[in-house]
Amino acid sequence: EVQLVESGGGLVQPGGSLRLSCAASGFSFSDHYMDWVRQAPGKGLEWVGRIRNKVNSYTTEYAASVKGRFTISRDDSKNSLYLQMNSLKTEDTAVYYCARGSGLWFDPWGQGTLVTVSS
Amino acid sequence: DIQLTQSPSFLSASVGDRVTITCRASQDISSFLAWYQQKPGKAPKLLIYAASTFQSGVPSRFSGSGSGTEFTLTISSLQPEDFATYYCQQLNSYPLTFGGGTKVEIK
Repeated sequence: EVQLVESGGGLVQPGGSLRLSCAASGFSFSDHYMDWVRQAPGKGLEWVGRIRNKVNSYTTEYAASVKGRFTISRDDSKNSLYLQMNSLKTEDTAVYYCARGSGLWFDPWGQGTLVTVSS
Repeated sequence: DIQLTQSPSFLSASVGDRVTITCRASQDISSFLAWYQQKPGKAPKLLIYAASTFQSGVPSRFSGSGSGTEFTLTISSLQPEDFATYYCQQLNSYPLTFGGGTKVEIK
């Protein structure tokens, strides 16, 4: 079964940092692009960023709202995806999902992990 | 950035109704459009990609159409398990973007 499981969410103060992880199983992780998407409470979906696979040099793309503050990385040997979030703002409060990406879809998605930025 | 405008943002319908949701892109995205279903407290689930291709396991009452800037998701006969929020997504260019969502509720 293809599965993604996020972890690392929690409460952090404004200006703080947090690192999210996404553990993948059931598919060839190293072959795929991976994405992060977030959803603020009661709001819609916002794409955060993408990391491509080794064939595509692990290059990354980011939404303007997080560029320069968030960094996506991966460890193919551990089938794991990461989101390093620095200089967090209250508006970064959201459920963060990882998803297996492609040029045509995001599938599947993890169950999400809640990040709350508050003093 | 490519903006996706979904309409309606909310609709109330009965079991058995035919439901159509529209997604308009601010510029031509060819067929690089996907549709997702999200139920409360759950992750989104892929329904349709490339504007009209079913994801495996999705019931045939769901269909997608369109290209360019205008797309539709149709549910031919609404079932109780279809009450959810639906999102479109463009994958034509970065930043990838989602529509604002359409919440389908029971009338």
